[in-house]
Amino acid sequence: DARVTQTPRHKVTEMGQEVTMRCQPILGHNTVFWYRQTMMQGLELLAYFRNRAPLDDSGMPKDRFSAEMPDATLATLKIQPSEPRDSAVYFCASGGTASAGEKLFFGSGTQLSVL
Amino acid sequence: DAKTTQPTSMDCAEGRAANLPCNHSTISGNEYVYWYRQIHSQGPQYIIHGLKNNETNEMASLIITEDRKSSTLILPHATLRDTAVYYCIVKGFGNEKLTFGTGTRLTIIP
Repeated sequence: DARVTQTPRHKVTEMGQEVTMRCQPILGHNTVFWYRQTMMQGLELLAYFRNRAPLDDSGMPKDRFSAEMPDATLATLKIQPSEPRDSAVYFCASGGTASAGEKLFFGSGTQLSVL
Repeated sequence: DAKTTQPTSMDCAEGRAANLPCNHSTISGNEYVYWYRQIHSQGPQYIIHGLKNNETNEMASLIITEDRKSSTLILPHATLRDTAVYYCIVKGFGNEKLTFGTGTRLTIIP
């Protein structure tokens, strides 16, 4: 089965370090989403892309977070510098084609711990 | 998108039907009801969606009231693997963003 692949699955880093999370959307999907999940805030939409163009990044702290799609098979979410409050699970999702219908397909997430 | 209200938690005996309610009294005419679930340590998983007619697929059934102000997700024969948080989401068709609430934590009891 086609699936959204996220790497790494787990990341432990120290405050101030740069963190890069990667996502490989399902081939042919033209929308990609980044979500963050914490116990306190639940699932929050950070940013999303359609046809590799950023459409909405209003949920993302602009000073330290950046999201890009260098090509159709790769989406990245970077945090620089990282802070302990960034500790969360970050999910990528893809969808937006006729075959996907109105479904979003989520990856397994990157669990980030910033010490 | 319209707001939804779900119970915080529910239990259901294994093998029985699990009925998860959702209120969406401010839903507008072009908004659909979506259900996703999140099993522990996994990403959310699509279950089903509908506009006004009842829908059924291999995972569940969705019953939407005639006034569309509430709906019920039915898992016909719950198994332990159905233990998860279930999210009811209302959004316009073609509006790509999914906004998650707090969901219902469903626990299937052996």
